[in-house]
Amino acid sequence: GESVGLHLPTLSVQEGDNSIINCAYSNSASDYFIWYKQESGKGPQFIIDIRSNMDKRQGQRVTVLLNKTVKHLSLQIAATQPGDSAVYFCAEKMDTGFQKLVFGTGTRLLVSP
Amino acid sequence: DAGITQSPRHKVTETGTPVTLRCHQTENHRYMYWYRQDPGHGLRLIHYSYGVKDTDKGEVSDGYSVSRSKTEDFLLTLESATSSQTSVYFCAIQKGGMGEQYFGPGTRLTVT
Repeated sequence: GESVGLHLPTLSVQEGDNSIINCAYSNSASDYFIWYKQESGKGPQFIIDIRSNMDKRQGQRVTVLLNKTVKHLSLQIAATQPGDSAVYFCAEKMDTGFQKLVFGTGTRLLVSP
Repeated sequence: DAGITQSPRHKVTETGTPVTLRCHQTENHRYMYWYRQDPGHGLRLIHYSYGVKDTDKGEVSDGYSVSRSKTEDFLLTLESATSSQTSVYFCAIQKGGMGEQYFGPGTRLTVT
């Protein structure tokens, strides 16, 4: 909900612009990554994922880029719309036997009409 | 829609009282998770389950217990609620083999 976003970095864009949201992940052994979108008062929503053997993956209006050298993940949103306003956060899964995700704290995206 | 419901959606309770949150899924997935979400923190894992009666602790399990007596339901219990357990609680299921998790709508719990 709203309380989640109190301490988050914020990216403000105009409608129609392209948005880039960044995430630094922690573990070089992580083999799978997910971007989530969370609107106020709702649960996180799966957007797109990428495996560590890929550098780029595209979805509908979204692209995820993975740079394993510097442990960096980015989410690009094309032609950003007011409905894209939300908190976005990444998650990484370590290559262990247990299916556990580690989540970032997120970035708030504000889209102005 | 991930086929996950949580109940209640909102609850206010007093310190020292027991509280149980319910997560229900409609798709019979094996893995289920309970997280809490607080300002300044990413989602933090409380407990998880990898099958009926198979559960284990996450990183913030103190003060919480869970039960899973059937595939579709995963219960989170606060035996004696404290103010530090005021939070938003999310249940998640894992649908695929890579580890992708899908979340329920959350329960906002306030302990006064």
